[in-house]
Amino acid sequence: GEDVEQSLFLSVREGDSSVINCTYTDSSSTYLYWYKQEPGAGLQLLTYIFSNMDMKQDQRLTVLLNKKDKHLSLRIADTQTGDSAIYFCAEYNAGNMLTFGGGTRLMVKP
Amino acid sequence: DSGVTQTPKHLITATGQRVTLRCSPRSGDLSVYWYQQSLDQGLQFLIQYYNGEERAKGNILERFSAQQFPDLHSELNLSSLELGDSALYFCASSVGGREASEQYFGPGTRLTVT
Repeated sequence: GEDVEQSLFLSVREGDSSVINCTYTDSSSTYLYWYKQEPGAGLQLLTYIFSNMDMKQDQRLTVLLNKKDKHLSLRIADTQTGDSAIYFCAEYNAGNMLTFGGGTRLMVKP
Repeated sequence: DSGVTQTPKHLITATGQRVTLRCSPRSGDLSVYWYQQSLDQGLQFLIQYYNGEERAKGNILERFSAQQFPDLHSELNLSSLELGDSALYFCASSVGGREASEQYFGPGTRLTVT
């Protein structure tokens, strides 16, 4: 079955870059997404990448996809305290559904 | 604000009871998705409706059911509630149905079963 895995926790200093990693198992994934969840809030779509792309950049966010290794990463440049949240990667596959990872809690220290 | 609304925001009820959660999608979106977020299971897809019809089914228990009405709002019915049903229930909406499209999430309904 589908499985999406992320590390639980990442701590960085304000101004540094953050890299959040994700691995998935379903090779039929068509789109891969990154969502952000702040405390007490719903999920906010940050960005997504189509499976035939290697990289996508959107302002401070860079998504890298290694389809051979089924590895996805989200790089946040110049991380700010407002970036502190839980980040979820998710894959959309032929089963017509999103499968989410367990989330990575990003803590940004001033 | 994603444009997806969910009511109620919080719900506290007892085991064995039945509750209904409501979701209104963004204007123009035809698909509604329901997700459950709990500490032990993480975020799990439950069910999707597209323009009134069930489109995809995930890990939804038989005690749970959903529907989408002609005005496109959706309701998730949870019955014979158990303590383990305590969770955040999210609704999301998207324009499309079968193809991958961006899903926008509501703020969630926090259900506590005592």
